[in-house]
Amino acid sequence: DQQVKQNSPSLSVQEGRISILNCDYTNSMFDYFLWYKKYPAEGPTFLISISSIKDKNEDGRFTVFLNKSAKHLSLHIVPSQPGDSAVYFCAASAGNTGKLIFGQGTTLQVKP
Amino acid sequence: GAGVSQSPRYKVAKRGQDVALRCDPISGHVSLFWYQQALGQGPEFLTYFQNEAQLDKSGLPSDRFFAERPEGSVSTLKIQRTQQEDSAVYLCASSLDGTSGIEQFFGPGTRLTVL
Repeated sequence: DQQVKQNSPSLSVQEGRISILNCDYTNSMFDYFLWYKKYPAEGPTFLISISSIKDKNEDGRFTVFLNKSAKHLSLHIVPSQPGDSAVYFCAASAGNTGKLIFGQGTTLQVKP
Repeated sequence: GAGVSQSPRYKVAKRGQDVALRCDPISGHVSLFWYQQALGQGPEFLTYFQNEAQLDKSGLPSDRFFAERPEGSVSTLKIQRTQQEDSAVYLCASSLDGTSGIEQFFGPGTRLTVL
C-alpha cells in the first residue's frame, strides 16, 4: 500500500523555465510534507516543507503547494537551473513520530 | 564535517554472512532513524531511536535485522544471515527531536550488496 505516490518517474525542462513535480498521498493523518533532493551517491538533502494547516510555502526559487481536499502537493522550481538536476522525493509524516513515508522519486533533468 | 556519517560506504557480503552498519549522527541530535532504499525506490522506514530508546521498529523486515544505540549517540544496524533481497542502500538520518515536520539530516548511506 503506497501511501505517498510520485507518478512521474522523470521530468525534463529547459533552463530558466518552471519545473513542477507532483505528489499524491492517501493518509489523511499526515500533518507535514517535505521535499528532499538527492544526488547520486549522496544522502537526501532537505529542500522545503509544509504543514497541513497551510496551503503554500515559499523559499527562494522553491514553492510547495498543498491541496488537502485532493490529497495532492506539488513543488515548483522557478527558474530551473542545470544544478537542480537530481532525484526529488516527496515525503510525509504524522503525529508525534517523525518517521518519513517517501514517494518513489522523480528524476528532474534541467537542460542548458 | 558536522554532518551525519556512515560507515562503511560500500559493503559486499556473501549470502549468510552477518554485517554491521554504523551511523554517527549530528552531535546533539536526539532522534535517529534508519531507512532502506532499494534500487529505483524511495527510502523506506526501518526503525527510530529517541536517545538510546528504540521507540519504533515496525519497519524492520525480519528478525534478522537488529538496531541499537546504546549510549544515545552512535547507532549500529546489524543484519544476520544476509540474503540477496537485503541488497539496498541503508540510510541513517538524525534530527533535533523526532516530532513530525522536524527536518531530518541524512548520511550518504551504506550500499550493501549480497552475493
